Amino acid sequence: NAGVTQTPKFQVLKTGQSMTLQCAQDMNHNSMYWYRQDPGMGLRLIYYSASEGTTDKGEVPNGYNVSRLNKREFSLRLESAAPSQTSVYFCASSEYGATEAFFGQGTRLTVV
Amino acid sequence: QQQVKQSPQSLIVQKGGIPIINCAYENTAFDYFPWYQQFPGKGPALLIAIRPDVSEKKEGRFTISFNKSAKQFSLHIMDSQPGDSATYFCAASIRDSSSASKIIFGSGTRLSIRP
Repeated sequence: NAGVTQTPKFQVLKTGQSMTLQCAQDMNHNSMYWYRQDPGMGLRLIYYSASEGTTDKGEVPNGYNVSRLNKREFSLRLESAAPSQTSVYFCASSEYGATEAFFGQGTRLTVV
Repeated sequence: QQQVKQSPQSLIVQKGGIPIINCAYENTAFDYFPWYQQFPGKGPALLIAIRPDVSEKKEGRFTISFNKSAKQFSLHIMDSQPGDSATYFCAASIRDSSSASKIIFGSGTRLSIRP
């Protein structure tokens, strides 16, 4: 089992460019999450999807959009990247209502 | 503002010592308090967790102490080893209106165990 798979692992964008971060899980989990990790700030929740067909804002949703494509896949889109979005992005999944989240390996994004 | 406040930001301990990492929260709706461990280049992984109706939980060398009235909890690592060197995150889980769980993380502690 691969668990939670994120693509790409690294990306450099120019300010104003758009891109989509992909996440897929093979654990049949209902809930999926996107976090960003910045030094001294820990992991901050961007958006989450409690179950297929639903998405909700987390702590820092501005500048991002998400799509829960199906039960396995949850994508994060930056429409117009800004340097402040330089970060490491983690996708995670869990059973619905469960409290343990399983994380992917992360995507390191640099916006110049 | 951080809903879960964690300290210290970094910690250096000699092998065999007992590092202690502290966290505090305000929202009494949090119903589950996990600790995650993260090694460089990897995603966080669940280490140990506690519910607010329990004051202490031990798993191997890792212990969570929980003080509900003070809204504080801490991680102790007994007989620490160089392999415990990692970043540790406390977290708190809360259910939204649909009963889905959101996990809110603290700012992290970079722990280094000296040989």
